[in-house]
Amino acid sequence: GEDVEQSLFLSVREGDSSVINCTYTDSSSTYLYWYKQEPGAGLQLLTYIFSNMDMKQDQRLTVLLNKKDKHLSLRIADTQTGDSAIYFCAETLYNTDKLIFGTGTRLQVFP
Amino acid sequence: DAGITQSPRHKVTETGTPVTLRCHQTENHRYMYWYRQDPGHGLRLIHYSYGVKDTDKGEVSDGYSVSRSKTEDFLLTLESATSSQTSVYFCAISEIERYEQYFGPGTRLTVT
Repeated sequence: GEDVEQSLFLSVREGDSSVINCTYTDSSSTYLYWYKQEPGAGLQLLTYIFSNMDMKQDQRLTVLLNKKDKHLSLRIADTQTGDSAIYFCAETLYNTDKLIFGTGTRLQVFP
Repeated sequence: DAGITQSPRHKVTETGTPVTLRCHQTENHRYMYWYRQDPGHGLRLIHYSYGVKDTDKGEVSDGYSVSRSKTEDFLLTLESATSSQTSVYFCAISEIERYEQYFGPGTRLTVT
């Protein structure tokens, strides 16, 4: 079945890099996404990667996709306090417009 | 930001009462979705719509119904609210050809 898993919590020091990991089970994923949710707000699309790509970089964000291991990661360089939020990975399966979300990783950035 | 609004933003209601949540978009996107967010579960799809009067069930549709009579509005109705439906509800939209979804600000519903 469809399942997307993430670790629940990550704490990093300001200025360090953060790496948030996600594993998924369905090999028919077409797009994989990272969303950010700040307290009391909706989800904001950060970036996405198509399943035939290995890596995508967008300013401080780097997404790595390992299709063999069904593993997705989001690296945030030079993490700032404003990056503190919950990060959700999500996948879209082939021939569907529905998103399957992970449970979210709460990133806490301390000075 | 995508033009998505949800109303009300907060609601407290009693068990057994009907509740309707509204999602309104100004983007003319074809697809609209209702999710609920609960601790430990991430977001789960309740219902979605792929056009006016065209809707389908998601993974947690029991106890919910939807309607879409206009492109811009997608309504979620709890016919008889239960405490298990206490949650934060998010609406999302997406274009036809693309898979990115854009989310509204959410509605926090408490059923007492």
